[in-house]
Amino acid sequence: ETGVTQSPTHLIKTRGQQVTLRCSSQSGHNTVSWYQQALGQGPQFIFQYYREEENGRGNFPPRFSGLQFPNYSSELNVNALELDDSALYLCASSLQRSGGRHIQYFGAGTRLSVL
Amino acid sequence: GQQVMQIPQYQHVQEGEDFTTYCNSSTTLSNIQWYKQRPGGHPVFLIQLVKSGEVKKQKRLTFQFGEAKKNSSLHITATQTTDVGTYFCAGRDPKLTGANSKLTFGKGITLSVRP
Repeated sequence: ETGVTQSPTHLIKTRGQQVTLRCSSQSGHNTVSWYQQALGQGPQFIFQYYREEENGRGNFPPRFSGLQFPNYSSELNVNALELDDSALYLCASSLQRSGGRHIQYFGAGTRLSVL
Repeated sequence: GQQVMQIPQYQHVQEGEDFTTYCNSSTTLSNIQWYKQRPGGHPVFLIQLVKSGEVKKQKRLTFQFGEAKKNSSLHITATQTTDVGTYFCAGRDPKLTGANSKLTFGKGITLSVRP
């Protein structure tokens, strides 16, 4: 087990709704990254939070937003859900080190279905 | 932007056969990581390669980083049914260091093993 927990495990929403996904990072880790994994695809980087600030973002629209809290846990918020947002959302925590060699440990993910 | 490619996406082998898969990046990488995802599971970190030409072994798995740091390979000796899953490589752009370094994943290769 990685010590990274995500909730909920499964979620069903309808188009246009908003959703909040949660992630508790591994003890001692200061960085959280969020990924979207569509069926049959590799994880796609959404954004990364380091010390409560977003410090990297992939090609996702502004309706994808996030937060990191002082205890390094994190939330992913998605507004105005679209059918294509149906995917497995993965949170990965890591301990930031110089040179970008930090290893990311993934949680089990939240499977979101948008109807 | 940086692209990480894994071709083919599926491979079927007979138990006991060797298996090799490759990962190619459009740009030089600072390091590369390999993950394994079992069906219905989440990516689990296997190994990180940092140096040009580096070779690392984990039991029956051998990982290699290319001399130009643009490609990598995973070789499994004498496959077993427990090797079933999707293997992802993920690379980091050396121009994005420290807190801004994100992982770019390939689409993965799904390995099935016939007993």
